[in-house]
Amino acid sequence: NAGVMQNPRHLVRRRGQEARLRCSPMKGHSHVYWYRQLPEEGLKFMVYLQKENIIDESGMPKERFSAEFPKEGPSILRIQQVVRGDSAAYFCASSPEREGIEQYFGPGTRLTVT
Amino acid sequence: RKEVEQDPGPFNVPEGATVAFNCTYSNSASQSFFWYRQDCRKEPKLLMSVYSSGNEDGRFTAQLNRASQYISLLIRDSKLSDSATYLCVVRYPYGGATNKLIFGTGTLLAVQP
Repeated sequence: NAGVMQNPRHLVRRRGQEARLRCSPMKGHSHVYWYRQLPEEGLKFMVYLQKENIIDESGMPKERFSAEFPKEGPSILRIQQVVRGDSAAYFCASSPEREGIEQYFGPGTRLTVT
Repeated sequence: RKEVEQDPGPFNVPEGATVAFNCTYSNSASQSFFWYRQDCRKEPKLLMSVYSSGNEDGRFTAQLNRASQYISLLIRDSKLSDSATYLCVVRYPYGGATNKLIFGTGTLLAVQP
């Protein structure tokens, strides 16, 4: 049973470009969470999605960031016009249901903005 | 005040030592509590859930004190492979609209040979 998959594992973007991060949850999981870990900091919640719905986006920056989890295909975290401060590790997690106690994390995407 | 607070360490201990980590949380309505382990530049992995009655998994023992809003992790007979950052994690109230995890910044453990 494949775990949570994220790609790309490493992404380099110049300032002003767009970054697209993908997450495929574990088989049978319909809930996806995105977290960001800035250098030397803890993980911070960004957004919680169910298929075709955003449940909680309280941790998302107000501008340039968006997320989706379409009916078919992976969840996408999109960052427009990236800035140096967006450089971080972005982790995706999934759970089988909203009340699922355990969230399983993917290997993360390391975004570097030059 | 941070929602979940931990001593960042590092804790440098010899192999075979017993080491304890502490954590406090600010939201008294929090329902679920966990310890995760994160190796350098890797994803967090669930080590164990924490229950009010306390629970043990091999060399690891977790305790929860709801009155004090305090969580602990005890590692006995430390191994070199225990070297990692240990993350105290709290889940927001059960049944709420969200299911997000709140992470502490982690405590770094380095077990020395």
